[in-house]
Amino acid sequence: SYELTQSPSVSVSPGQTASIACSGPYLGDKYISWYQHRAGQSPVLLIYQRDKRPSGVPERFSGALSGNTATLTISGTQPLDDGDYYCQAWDTNSYVFGSGTRLTVL
Amino acid sequence: EVQLVESGGGLIQPGRSLRLSCAASGFTFDDFAMHWVRQAPGKGLEWVSAINYNSGSVDYADSVKGRFTISRDNAKNSLFLQMNSLRVDDTALYFCAKDNFADYRLGGADFWGQGIPVTVS
Repeated sequence: SYELTQSPSVSVSPGQTASIACSGPYLGDKYISWYQHRAGQSPVLLIYQRDKRPSGVPERFSGALSGNTATLTISGTQPLDDGDYYCQAWDTNSYVFGSGTRLTVL
Repeated sequence: EVQLVESGGGLIQPGRSLRLSCAASGFTFDDFAMHWVRQAPGKGLEWVSAINYNSGSVDYADSVKGRFTISRDNAKNSLFLQMNSLRVDDTALYFCAKDNFADYRLGGADFWGQGIPVTVS
């Protein structure tokens, strides 16, 4: 079955830039979405189709793809960005979520 | 304002069935695909199933294929998940989510419900 690999954790200081990577076979051929999931809340769509931002998502969230690695970049990280981040891609007949990255804003 | 409200969860014995519902409001329901996503205790997000805007296409995670059935009633702005032959590892918080496209293969889930717990024990 298809798998997306994410680093378990990333730490960043407030105001700095955080990068969260997601890799998988043939990822460069797929549409990728990114979600933020804060504790006790429902997930939020941050990026879809690799680099598109839904309305209402701050510009400091951006998505990019290079080869088979997708990257979510958070510029000017704020304490409220603390939480879990998941990539997602469509493979054949199902969606797959990455294992998730816990972002800690120290 | 988009609202998605799940119902029908609870405690159920292994092997039994449960039907989840999701009442949608605040958008044109029959213009968009819909998803069910779950999160087991202490685990990450797991996509369960999706249905396109007119029920013409549905897909399932391998873990639920043959046991779960997704459906929608566009006249009632409602999404459903029929869960049969439930197993202990189906225990999770189940989210209903709206896609931002009519075809669920193209976009992402841009609005989510609060989730409904299902405990199989």
